[in-house]
Amino acid sequence: QKEVEQNSGPLSVPEGAIASLNCTYSDRGSQSFFWYRQYSGKSPELIMSIYSNGDKEDGRFTAQLNKASQYVSLLIRDSQPSDSATYLCAVNNQGGKLIFGQGTELSVKP
Amino acid sequence: KAGVTQTPRYLIKTRGQQVTLSCSPISGHRSVSWYQQTPGQGLQFLFEYFSETQRNKGNFPGRFSGRQFSNSRSEMNVSTLELGDSALYLCASSPEYQETQYFGPGTRLLVL
Repeated sequence: QKEVEQNSGPLSVPEGAIASLNCTYSDRGSQSFFWYRQYSGKSPELIMSIYSNGDKEDGRFTAQLNKASQYVSLLIRDSQPSDSATYLCAVNNQGGKLIFGQGTELSVKP
Repeated sequence: KAGVTQTPRYLIKTRGQQVTLSCSPISGHRSVSWYQQTPGQGLQFLFEYFSETQRNKGNFPGRFSGRQFSNSRSEMNVSTLELGDSALYLCASSPEYQETQYFGPGTRLLVL
C-alpha cells in the first residue's frame, strides 16, 4: 500500500463545475496535509495547507480533512480552464518526511 | 521576496559522471528539502537539511548526497550517474523544520 494514494485521472469537468479531488494516507500519526498544483513542465505550487479536521476555504478552493478516515480532499468551485493541471496531495508523516501522492490530472473543458 | 532559485536549470551528463546541483532558499528560510520527480515514480523525497544538518533522508542509494551551508544554501551531488537518474530535481524551502514547503523551478537532468 502506498503511503499517499490519489486517483491518477484524468478527471474531466466542464467549465463552471465543481472539481473534487481525493487523497488517502496510511500513516495515522500524520499531522500536516498539503495540496499542490503542478502545471506541465513547471514545479509544484502550494494551494492549501490543512492541519485540523474539517473544512478550510481559500477563494474557490476548499480543503477537507478527516483524520479518522485518513482522507483529504480538495474541492475547486467554478472550475476554469486555467485550473487544468496535476494536483498533488502531500502528507507530512510521523517520520517528518513530506510524502507525495502520484497526483490527479484535472482537465477543465470550456 | 524572491522565491527559491535553482541552478543550473538544465543539464546533460553521461553515465558515470557526477553532478552538483545548487539551491538558494527563500530569504529567511532555514530548511531545504530535495526531491526527484520522474513520470514513473512521481515526486520522491531525497533529503531535508536544517541548520546545516541532514534531518531526514529518503530511500535513495548513497550516490545521492547533499549538504547545507551556513547561509542555508544547499547543494546536492549525484555520483556515478545512471540513465535512471534522468529526472527533474526539485528543491523546496521552508521557514523552519517541517513547515510548509515552497518549491523552486527545478533542475532538469538528462543522463545519456
